Amino acid sequence: RKEVEQDPGPFNVPEGATVAFNCTYSNSASQSFFWYRQDCRKEPKLLMSVYSSGNEDGRFTAQLNRASQYISLLIRDSKLSDSATYLCVGGNWANNLFFGTGTRLTVIP
Amino acid sequence: DAGVIQSPRHEVTEMGQEVTLRCKPISGHDYLFWYRQTMMRGLELLIYFNNNVPIDDSGMPEDRFSAKMPNASFSTLKIQPSEPRDSAVYFCASSNAGGRTEAFFGQGTRLTVV
Repeated sequence: RKEVEQDPGPFNVPEGATVAFNCTYSNSASQSFFWYRQDCRKEPKLLMSVYSSGNEDGRFTAQLNRASQYISLLIRDSKLSDSATYLCVGGNWANNLFFGTGTRLTVIP
Repeated sequence: DAGVIQSPRHEVTEMGQEVTLRCKPISGHDYLFWYRQTMMRGLELLIYFNNNVPIDDSGMPEDRFSAKMPNASFSTLKIQPSEPRDSAVYFCASSNAGGRTEAFFGQGTRLTVV
């Protein structure tokens, strides 16, 4: 079983819609969580860290549920420029970073 | 400030040939990760180093793969002999706190083995 699992999608949503991605992790010892964004044929880049209390950055909200071992990302008011693959990432104190396979989002005009 | 630098950007080689991928991490970062990305398996961690020492190489698929980090500013990933199933994008990433903080990725090396 992979350390981090997420629905690969694709998610096709109209501009302005709200979309949510979930991700589960298998290692309860995981301490750090992130969402990365990867554009086509580019490298992954950090979108936001995920804190225990939940955190928001503009139209993006990330939440962590340790009891159920899942992480979520909510995107409000989707823009065409949000089209990308979103990678869920878990890190542990052994200092590995484990990536999910990514969820592909396409925002349609 | 230069980011993670990988070379070459693209590599096409014949089956059986040796391939060497190179990475220069961000100065001051003491963790370096090598990942492989394919459509089928996504991003897979191959190996990572801390202060130039390999810490976990359990993701290295087989003995044909080897990685070195002779100093803080350079690492190589070698495949010998290469096979068509090694075709993928190989990313190098570095960070200053391992799995506890953001990792910065290079632009990747797209390897095609024919």
